[in-house]
Amino acid sequence: SYEVTQPPSVSVSPGQTATISCSGDQLGYKAVSWYQQKPGQSPVVVIYMDTKRPSGIPERFSGSNSGDTATLTITGTQAMDEADYYCQTWDSSTVVLGGGTKLTVL
Amino acid sequence: QVQLVQSGPEVRKPGASLKVSCKASGYTFSDHYTHWLRQAPGQGLQWMGRIDSYGGGTTYGQRFQGRVTITRDTSIGTAYMELSGLTSDDTAVYYCARQVCTVGTCYLDYWGLGTLVTVSS
Repeated sequence: SYEVTQPPSVSVSPGQTATISCSGDQLGYKAVSWYQQKPGQSPVVVIYMDTKRPSGIPERFSGSNSGDTATLTITGTQAMDEADYYCQTWDSSTVVLGGGTKLTVL
Repeated sequence: QVQLVQSGPEVRKPGASLKVSCKASGYTFSDHYTHWLRQAPGQGLQWMGRIDSYGGGTTYGQRFQGRVTITRDTSIGTAYMELSGLTSDDTAVYYCARQVCTVGTCYLDYWGLGTLVTVSS
């Protein structure tokens, strides 16, 4: 079965750029979505179809996907961005989720 | 506004079964697939499966095959997730989510607030 891998944790200073990776075999040929989950809350989609931002998601969130790696980038990271982030793609009709990355803003 | 309202917290003994509901409002229920995911304490999200809310067809995650059943009642806009043979490892928050599709992909745009299920003897 298809798998994607994320780093368990990423740290970033306020105002700096955070990058979270999601790796899988030829992932660039698949569409990737990213979800943000804050403690005690339900996940929220922040990027879909590799690069698209849903309405209401700040412009500082962006995505890319090429080769074996998809990347979520947060430019000018704010304290409110501290959360767990999950990448998601599809393997035929099944959802494939990464293990999640804890973003710490310190 | 789109809402997915889930049933309340549950406590079950090992070996028992569980059925969680997810009532949709604010959109045409049968126009969208409904997914079920779960999250054990301190762990990541796990995808359990999905249902075509119109035709009723289902797809299940490999780790849950044979133990999970997802159904729906279109007359009341509600999806259900039933899990059998519970163990303490099934203690988790269970989420339903709505699938939306655009050109090129589908993703989960609305989520329920989650249902806490505790399995304990």
